[in-house]
Amino acid sequence: AQKVTQAQTEISVVEKEDVTLDCVYETRDTTYYLFWYKQPPSGELVFLIRRNSFDEQNEISGRYSWNFQKSTSSFNFTITASQVVDSAVYFCALSESTGGGNKLTFGTGTQLKVEL
Amino acid sequence: DTEVTQTPKHLVMGMTNKKSLKCEQHMGHRAMYWYKQKAKKPPELMFVYSYEKLSINESVPSRFSPECPNSSLLNLHLHALQPEDSALYLCASSQEPRTGGKLFFGSGTQLSVL
Repeated sequence: AQKVTQAQTEISVVEKEDVTLDCVYETRDTTYYLFWYKQPPSGELVFLIRRNSFDEQNEISGRYSWNFQKSTSSFNFTITASQVVDSAVYFCALSESTGGGNKLTFGTGTQLKVEL
Repeated sequence: DTEVTQTPKHLVMGMTNKKSLKCEQHMGHRAMYWYKQKAKKPPELMFVYSYEKLSINESVPSRFSPECPNSSLLNLHLHALQPEDSALYLCASSQEPRTGGKLFFGSGTQLSVL
C-alpha cells in the first residue's frame, strides 16, 4: 500500500527564515509521481510541483526548491526567505497506479506559520 | 480559464434534507473528482469520473450519490446525511484520468449537518 509521511505537524518561523518541509513516501510502483500542494485558509488546494520517479533533478522556482532523493524515498520542500503569505498547510502527495483512474494519496500535511 | 468552480461555498442541512453540491470546469478536462476533507486532516478521495463514467468509488456510503451530466459538470447529491459527514467537500479535475495527472481543485463547499 502507498503511504506518505509528513512528520512535521506544525512549524513556526519568523519572516525571512528558510524552512524545509519533509516528506517521506512508500510505494511498490516503479513509476510514480509526487506532488506538493498548498492549502491556504481559503481552502483551495494549490498545485506547486509534480515530479515523476525517473526525474531526480532538484528544482528551484523562485523562493521554492525541491529535493527528490529516491535512495531515501524523500521529496523535501524548502522555502527560502519565508514570507507571511507562505502561511498555509502544505501537503505532499503520491499518485497511485489504479485501473480506474488517477488517485492521489496525501500526507497528513504540515501547518506552516510565518510570523513577523 | 483554469478554474474549478464549486457552489455553494457553505451549506447547512438537516439530517432529513436532500441537497446537491455542484462543480464546474471549462478546461476541457476529462477526469473529475470528489474529495472529502475533515478539519486538520488531508483530503480523502471519494469518487473519480473518467470520460463521464464513474471509475473509482472509494466505498462511499450510498447517502452520497455522484452524477456527471456532461464533461464540464459534476454533482454530488446528498440525502439523509449524518453529523459526522460535516466536512469540506472538494472537487477537482485533471486533463486525463491517467496516473500522475495534475489535479486542479476548487475552493470547496463547507458542509454542516445538524
